[in-house]
Amino acid sequence: QVQLVESGGGVVQPGRSLRLSCAASGFTFSGYGMHWVRQAPGKGLEWVAVIAFDGSIKDYADSVKGRFTISRDNSKDTHWLQMSNLRAEDTAVYYCARYSGGYGFDYWGQGILVAVSS
Amino acid sequence: EIVLTQSPGTLSLSPGERATLSCRASQSVSSSSLTWYQQKPGQAPRLLIYGASSKATGIPDRFSGSGSGTDFTLTISRLEPEDFAVYYCQQFGTSPYSFGQGTKLEIK
Repeated sequence: QVQLVESGGGVVQPGRSLRLSCAASGFTFSGYGMHWVRQAPGKGLEWVAVIAFDGSIKDYADSVKGRFTISRDNSKDTHWLQMSNLRAEDTAVYYCARYSGGYGFDYWGQGILVAVSS
Repeated sequence: EIVLTQSPGTLSLSPGERATLSCRASQSVSSSSLTWYQQKPGQAPRLLIYGASSKATGIPDRFSGSGSGTDFTLTISRLEPEDFAVYYCQQFGTSPYSFGQGTKLEIK
């Protein structure tokens, strides 16, 4: 069955960096675009970034552009979100999600907490 | 940027009642790129409706979606206890791929 498992979260000081990973299994990873979506404590969902199935296209929310970088390695069925210059407002649960064309975001990981605090 | 506004913010209903949730877009959204998600506390969102009106795999028939252009609706015909959750609409046709702020469906 389709599984997405995030890792790499934790507590980090403002201005520091963190890299999240999303390991995929149960489907042909190289055939799907992948997204990151975050949710601040008690708040709604916020789209963060997307990477095309082959890595050729990447896009970011304005709130993270220039600080976050999305990447993938189809040979490892994994993609990453490199987060730099972290701010308190980046504190959230981060979800990776599979993009299935017209079906939208059909599978989500369980989420990983990133807390930015001094 | 397309802003999605959901209403009401909170909806208080009893099991067995009908729920109608609204999602209004600041500009026209292709129906093929409008989705609805359900989220329960401590869980990841779950895809309910794609293409504005098609049910995702395993979604009960009591859930239905409709609408076009700037106005979309999620309807739950007869509420079951497990339906009380937060619901989000999303458009993925135009970057940034925005979500509505959510409607909390609570037990009255």
